[in-house]
Amino acid sequence: GAGVSQSPSNKVTEKGKDVELRCDPISGHTALYWYRQSLGQGLEFLIYFQGNSAPDKSGLPSDRFSAERTGGSVSTLTIQRTQQEDSAVYLCASSEGVWQQETQYFGPGTRLLVL
Amino acid sequence: RKEVEQDPGPFNVPEGATVAFNCTYSNSASQSFFWYRQDCRKEPKLLMSVYSSGNEDGRFTAQLNRASQYISLLIRDSKLSDSATYLCVVNKGGGNKLTFGTGTQLKVEL
Repeated sequence: GAGVSQSPSNKVTEKGKDVELRCDPISGHTALYWYRQSLGQGLEFLIYFQGNSAPDKSGLPSDRFSAERTGGSVSTLTIQRTQQEDSAVYLCASSEGVWQQETQYFGPGTRLLVL
Repeated sequence: RKEVEQDPGPFNVPEGATVAFNCTYSNSASQSFFWYRQDCRKEPKLLMSVYSSGNEDGRFTAQLNRASQYISLLIRDSKLSDSATYLCVVNKGGGNKLTFGTGTQLKVEL
């Protein structure tokens, strides 16, 4: 079946602009996660959504970052007033639930470059 | 100190060799553990979960030592296709948020 998809694949933007990154999780998966991977760094948790519960935003690095998940499916990560240090690969993952052994399936990522 | 620490490598090994990777984690309350594989410019994919009793999947064996907060991955009979970055991953609990190490790079050569 279809895996997690993300768009765009690549995004180049100028410092100070806003960007929106989209994630389509695997159909039927109730949990959705955003991570980012900066050059030479491990993946860093940003936010996760589980069903209708309030999202866990504990990993968002600043208030310029926000995310929403509409209808329990598609999610959008928004970065306002982008900075050069926001350049990274933004990865979305989904899982059937949030049991700790649940496998998270990752999308191909969006490579963001802020000039 | 990083929450999950790995030797970045690279480990360059000949085909057929046995190679072992180690990982340490700092949070003693961590509850579940995984090895993910990431190919160059690709997304991470689950290789295997790691259990206290140790577990094996074909040529891959994972071990967990909770007392030492140490996780290992052993690859036997290395194949060229095993060349990738291996990510040590920990779930601290309180939801399914994963904490990743920076990865160990493996290069299997002819």
